[in-house]
Amino acid sequence: NAGVTQTPKFQVLKTGQSMTLQCAQDMNHNSMYWYRQDPGMGLRLIYYSASEGTTDKGEVPNGYNVSRLNKREFSLRLESAAPSQTSVYFCASSLQLSNEQFFGPGTRLTVL
Amino acid sequence: DQQVKQNSPSLSVQEGRISILNCDYTNSMFDYFLWYKKYPAEGPTFLISISSIKDKNEDGRFTVFLNKSAKHLSLHIVPSQPGDSAVYFCAASGVRDDKIIFGKGTRLHILP
Repeated sequence: NAGVTQTPKFQVLKTGQSMTLQCAQDMNHNSMYWYRQDPGMGLRLIYYSASEGTTDKGEVPNGYNVSRLNKREFSLRLESAAPSQTSVYFCASSLQLSNEQFFGPGTRLTVL
Repeated sequence: DQQVKQNSPSLSVQEGRISILNCDYTNSMFDYFLWYKKYPAEGPTFLISISSIKDKNEDGRFTVFLNKSAKHLSLHIVPSQPGDSAVYFCAASGVRDDKIIFGKGTRLHILP
């Protein structure tokens, strides 16, 4: 039982490059989330998916897109990376929206 | 507009003493509250929760108190241990279909 897995663990991009962060959960959870964590800013929600087939914007969605590929997988895409997107990205999942969330280990992204 | 506020960015406590982390919320519809713990380079992990029908929930060294009239909750750690040094996030959710809202976190330092 791996819980929530994220790939890659680290990534360095140049401004304007694109990339996709992958997330998968094996807990049969309905809801999945993408957060970013920056110093002094706590966890800020980028996008979430309440259930398979639905996605919604969170607090800071600009510059990102998401895909809920199936019940297990929820990916985050940066189409044209900017230095302001340098951050640690966490994926999380929960049984339902209001239940406790389980987090992945994070992806540390640097945009030069 | 922050719905979940942790007004102390950091807190230092002597090993063996009590650590008290505070959290305030503004939304009277919140009815489920959680605390998460986060170590550097790891994802947050769920610590303890409390429903609004209770005013106290205990799990080993960790106790969460809820004061609904003051819209305030606190996490008590007794006795504090070196492994408790981490960032603690308070979180809350409302009616069943609402997602969890996180505070910005408090960094706890346990001093030897």
